[in-house]
Amino acid sequence: DAEITQSPRHKITETGRQVTLACHQTWNHNNMFWYRQDLGHGLRLIHYSYGVQDTNKGEVSDGYSVSRSNTEDLPLTLESAASSQTSVYFCASSVGYSETQYFGPGTRLLVL
Amino acid sequence: TQLLEQSPQFLSIQEGENLTVYCNSSSVFSSLQWYRQEPGEGPVLLVTVVTGGEVKKLKRLTFQFGDARKDSSLHITAAQPGDTGLYLCAAAPNSGGSNYKLTFGKGTLLTVNP
Repeated sequence: DAEITQSPRHKITETGRQVTLACHQTWNHNNMFWYRQDLGHGLRLIHYSYGVQDTNKGEVSDGYSVSRSNTEDLPLTLESAASSQTSVYFCASSVGYSETQYFGPGTRLLVL
Repeated sequence: TQLLEQSPQFLSIQEGENLTVYCNSSSVFSSLQWYRQEPGEGPVLLVTVVTGGEVKKLKRLTFQFGDARKDSSLHITAAQPGDTGLYLCAAAPNSGGSNYKLTFGKGTLLTVNP
């Protein structure tokens, strides 16, 4: 069955370190998204991609970057982790415009 | 940027009660989706509504899209503990074009006590 996976599921890191969160989907979806979920803020879009070599900034992109070298993967990099980036991160993918987004199980990140 | 407001933010009820949660905006949407998120997991789609006035039923859950496509409601009949979770609405813009982004509301956290 097609799926979307995230790794690691839990991560503890220190302020200033670079961290990369992996997202892999086997749906063959063109569109992929990264969100962070925090109490009081809901799901906020970090970056998104409409296809290979395409990346776009979301509403909370500062301090994050993504690259899309193939259809299946969209890794999210925190260039220099900050305590404000402690959050739960979700990756999602979709077929097209307004279509269902399929979410991964999330990565819980703690920055000390 | 569209703003989706969900109410109530928190809801705790007893098993067997009925409830309604709301998703409102001042913007018109091309479609609206409802997701449910259980603890430790990602959101999962429950339903998509597209037409103004549309009503969809999923077992004990009834979803309605407002006539003007600016709001939606989710009604649960005879709630069960298994209905516990965070209910999120998400909307697609009405502007058309190649915009695949959804805007999410902050959610309603529902707890159904046995």
